[in-house]
This record gives sequence, structure tokens and C-alpha cells, in this order.
Amino acid sequence: DARVTQTPRHKVTEMGQEVTMRCQPILGHNTVFWYRQTMMQGLELLAYFRNRAPLDDSGMPKDRFSAEMPDATLATLKIQPSEPRDSAVYFCASGSTGWYQETQYFGPGTRLLVL
Amino acid sequence: DAKTTQPPSMDCAEGRAANLPCNHSTISGNEYVYWYRQIHSQGPQYIIHGLKNNETNEMASLIITEDRKSSTLILPHATLRDTAVYYCIRPPSGNEKLTFGTGTRLTIIP
Repeated sequence: DARVTQTPRHKVTEMGQEVTMRCQPILGHNTVFWYRQTMMQGLELLAYFRNRAPLDDSGMPKDRFSAEMPDATLATLKIQPSEPRDSAVYFCASGSTGWYQETQYFGPGTRLLVL
Repeated sequence: DAKTTQPPSMDCAEGRAANLPCNHSTISGNEYVYWYRQIHSQGPQYIIHGLKNNETNEMASLIITEDRKSSTLILPHATLRDTAVYYCIRPPSGNEKLTFGTGTRLTIIP
């Protein structure tokens, strides 16, 4: 049963610390999405990769957030320095056709709490 | 201007059909409608999608009106495990961003 995996599942850190979240897309999928979910804002798209290249990261605060795909099996989302307002659930999703208009398969999420 | 409009919440008795409406009056001819759901504390889960014809899979049926301005997701025999937030979404166009909106919180009543 192919699934998107995310690590860590939970993270508690102090303000100012670096946070790295990892995602393993479904093998063979060439599209990776990063989302953030809060009670206030709902599910927001942060960044989107196709074939490991960033296509849209306009949803990310550029001064502190960065997203990369070092290889086809790993996507990372980093926050440096972290702030309390970054507390949220971060979801990774992958897809196989390379555009928004496709089925996305979501991971279980990383629950981040910044104190 | 919301791309889709859904009721914020609905209840349905266990074993009955749950019919979740979605309005997408500004949809264009080549845009699909996608449905996802999110069970508490889990990631969103794909359910079904369609363009103009009605669709059915092992999870649900999707009925799209002839003018494509609205659709209804049907869970034919709802169970307690179907309690979730259901999202009806359209892909973005131009410089729009993909958004999931607030969805419909469906509660299945025993």
C-alpha cells in the first residue's frame, strides 16, 4: 500500500530554533506539495515541486522558510528561525501527473508547536 | 470570491445516504471538480473527481449538473467512519492559488 510518509510526526521547539520536516513521496510520483493547516487559515499551499524543481513557492514566507527536493525520494521544508506563529500542522502530498489538476495523496502531517 | 461554496455543516443518520452539495458556478469548461475529505487528525484523503459526467467509485458517487455549476457528492450508506470535513475544490487558474476552503463538516449520527 503506497503512502506518503512524513517525519517527524510531532515537533515541539523553542522560538528561534531551526525546524526541518521531511517527506517521502509515493515512489514514482513526480509532484510534491507542501501545505500548512491552522484553525484560522485552514489548509494553505506553501510550495509545489514538479520533477524536483520548485514551480511555485509563493505561499511561503521567504525570509524564514525554504523547501527543497535533494532527490526524488525526499522533500524537505525548513523553518529558520522558527516563530510561535509557525505552529501548525504541515502536510506533504504527492501526485503523478505534474499539475494542480490531479489527484493528490497526503501524508499524515507534522504537528509543529513553537514555544 | 470563493471558487466553490459548501454548507459549513451537515448531519446524516448512519446507514442513510449523505448528499453533500457544492456550488462552483464560475467553473470553466476544462476544469475538474475534486472532492477530498479530512478525518480528524489525519491528512486529507482523495475521494473522487469529475469533469462533466457523473462518476462512481468504491467510496462515493459524484453527480454534476448539466450546466456544471454545481455538484453533489453522495456517500450511499454512511457509516460513523465517514464523519469528516469534506472539501470540494477546483484547480486554480492564472495567478490564483490552490485553496481547500472551509469545506463541509459532516457528522454521522448513530
